[in-house]
Amino acid sequence: NAGVTQTPKFQVLKTGQSMTLQCAQDMNHEYMSWYRQDPGMGLRLIHYSVGAGITDQGEVPNGYNVSRSTTEDFPLRLLSAAPSQTSVYFCASRAYFRGENEQFFGPGTRLTVL
Amino acid sequence: GENVEQHPSTLSVQEGDSAVIKCTYSDSASNYFPWYKQELGKGPQLIIDIRSNVGEKKDQRIAVTLNKTAKHFSLHITETQPEDSAVYFCAVVSGGYQKVTFGIGTKLQVIP
Repeated sequence: NAGVTQTPKFQVLKTGQSMTLQCAQDMNHEYMSWYRQDPGMGLRLIHYSVGAGITDQGEVPNGYNVSRSTTEDFPLRLLSAAPSQTSVYFCASRAYFRGENEQFFGPGTRLTVL
Repeated sequence: GENVEQHPSTLSVQEGDSAVIKCTYSDSASNYFPWYKQELGKGPQLIIDIRSNVGEKKDQRIAVTLNKTAKHFSLHITETQPEDSAVYFCAVVSGGYQKVTFGIGTKLQVIP
């Protein structure tokens, strides 16, 4: 198993540009989520999904969109990037309905918005 | 919302000594408390967790204790080794991960 994969590893955007951060998992996990990590603030939940076709907002959803068309993929879209979105983004997945709680994280995407 | 405080923010110990990191939380409905280790340039990795109906859990050199009445839980690492150097995060979960709050992290340095 590859686990949770994320692409790209690094990205530089200009203010106002759009992009999609990709996330995929091959563990057949129902639950997937996106976090951002900023210095001194830990990880904060952006959006999450409990299955294909179901998404919901986390703690800091503004400026981000998500969709979940398959169990494997959970892309995060920035429609109009802002410098405040400079951060490291982590995707995570876990088995939701089987009662297992371990959450697996991807390697992260470091995003800089100029 | 949930408020999680993690102390200390940095911790230096001599190899072989013990390290303790503490977290407090505010929501009494929280029921799952994982600890993650994050090495430089990598994503967090679960190292130990505890559920609200258990007071203590141990896995080799790592242990976690939970005091639900006082709303705090702690990570204990014994016989520290240089490879334990990393950032450690606590998290507090309720509602089946629909509500998850992380602490700000503790940078642990183990000095050989």
